Amino acid sequence: LAKTTQPISMDSYEGQEVNITCSHNNIATNDYITWYQQFPSQGPRFIIQGYKTKVTNEVASLFIPADRKSSTLSLPRVSLSDTAVYYCLVGATGANNLFFGTGTRLTVIP
Amino acid sequence: NAGVTQTPKFRVLKTGQSMTLLCAQDMNHEYMYWYRQDPGMGLRLIHYSVGEGTTAKGEVPDGYNVSRLKKQNFLLGLESAAPSQTSVYFCASSRAGGPYTGELFFGEGSRLTVL
Repeated sequence: LAKTTQPISMDSYEGQEVNITCSHNNIATNDYITWYQQFPSQGPRFIIQGYKTKVTNEVASLFIPADRKSSTLSLPRVSLSDTAVYYCLVGATGANNLFFGTGTRLTVIP
Repeated sequence: NAGVTQTPKFRVLKTGQSMTLLCAQDMNHEYMYWYRQDPGMGLRLIHYSVGEGTTAKGEVPDGYNVSRLKKQNFLLGLESAAPSQTSVYFCASSRAGGPYTGELFFGEGSRLTVL
C-alpha cells in the first residue's frame, strides 16, 4: 500500500498561488492520485484526480512527474475560503486501500 | 439530490450502550464506507461494502459491526460503546471499481460521544 507524506501545515496570503506537494515513493502501477479538501465539521470533498502529467479543472491543477513518486496540488489565487485541510490519497481498484493520512492544514491569511 | 445522508448527527452514549448510525445514499452507488476521524488525525476506514449484502473490514474494525441489506443504506453498529469510540463518523459512497478508485462522496458526519 502506497503511503503518502505531506507537510503538516502551510500559510499563504490571499491571492497567492499555493502548491502542496505529496510524496508517494511506493506508488503502484495501477494507483491513481486523488486530492480531497475538508472544512471543519464537514466531510471531505473531492478536488482532483490524476494518473500522470497534468490535470486541470475549474478548482485546481495536479502536477505529476514522470516517475509518479510525488504530486503537487496547485491552487491558483487562494482566498480565505480555501482555508481547509487537504488530503493526498493514492490508491487503485478496491475499496479498502484509500488512506487519508493527516493531511495539510492550509491557512489563508488576509 | 440529497447525496449522502447520515443520521443521527449528534449522539451521546454511556459506556456499554449500543447504537446504530444510518447512512443513506441516493446516487445508486455500489460502494459504501464508514470512516472515523479523531482530533488532529485523518480519516480511518472502519468497514466498507462493495455491494448489497456484502461487508468487509477496513483499518480499524474492532468494536463495530455493519450491514448492507439495501443498496442505498449502510448501517454502522456499536454493540457496547466505549469511550475510545468517541469520534466523528463519516459515511461515504462511490461508484464501483474499474481501473481506478472513483470519487468518494461524503456525508456531513455524525459526532458521537461516549461517556
